[in-house]
Amino acid sequence: DAKTTQPNSMESNEEEPVHLPCNHSTISGTDYIHWYRQLPSQGPEYVIHGLTSNVNNRMASLAIAEDRKSSTLILHRATLRDAAVYYCILRGYVISNFGNEKLTFGTGTRLTIIP
Amino acid sequence: DARVTQTPRHKVTEMGQEVTMRCQPILGHNTVFWYRQTMMQGLELLAYFRNRAPLDDSGMPKDRFSAEMPDATLATLKIQPSEPRDSAVYFCASGFYYRSSTDTQYFGPGTRLTVL
Repeated sequence: DAKTTQPNSMESNEEEPVHLPCNHSTISGTDYIHWYRQLPSQGPEYVIHGLTSNVNNRMASLAIAEDRKSSTLILHRATLRDAAVYYCILRGYVISNFGNEKLTFGTGTRLTIIP
Repeated sequence: DARVTQTPRHKVTEMGQEVTMRCQPILGHNTVFWYRQTMMQGLELLAYFRNRAPLDDSGMPKDRFSAEMPDATLATLKIQPSEPRDSAVYFCASGFYYRSSTDTQYFGPGTRLTVL
């Protein structure tokens, strides 16, 4: 499986934008980039995913480099509730009856929000 | 909101005892996953099922762990006998997958297991 590299930790001030980087230099052409986050004492939750184009949803934006070797999760206005561990995960796209459902979690980035 | 539920939320037991954890996936989801999280190993996949059939249990210690789906609304993870090194948070997740991996997984709140 292609691997991702993320900083162990980051800090950001409340109500400011946060840019969480992820390197995936060995990404293949059919790998999707998924982001999950895990709030304290909770299970992981889906944040966003993309393939080539930048993506936006109500939680965040995902900016994908043109060569796809890196991506950045953007929280536009961080709140204290965004303090969590953020995981960047690559998942292959397989057209078959058995898709590549597995999520392989790395160590993620622990995001601390400073009030 | 539909949610994955897990019971019990906390379990303390003594070494050698049998432990059963239960999960109710979101109605309509066809794939169920069991993960384990520890400080040392992080989140790791133990096993998963598609349409109640086991697809991959390579992450699970076979001698003491077993996972089943008696029906579409219940998944179980059993440890017998339990050992202190099994102490962890066990998460169940479910999703609907058909021909692509772009679908998301929905995680339950976890079962925190402590084996003394």
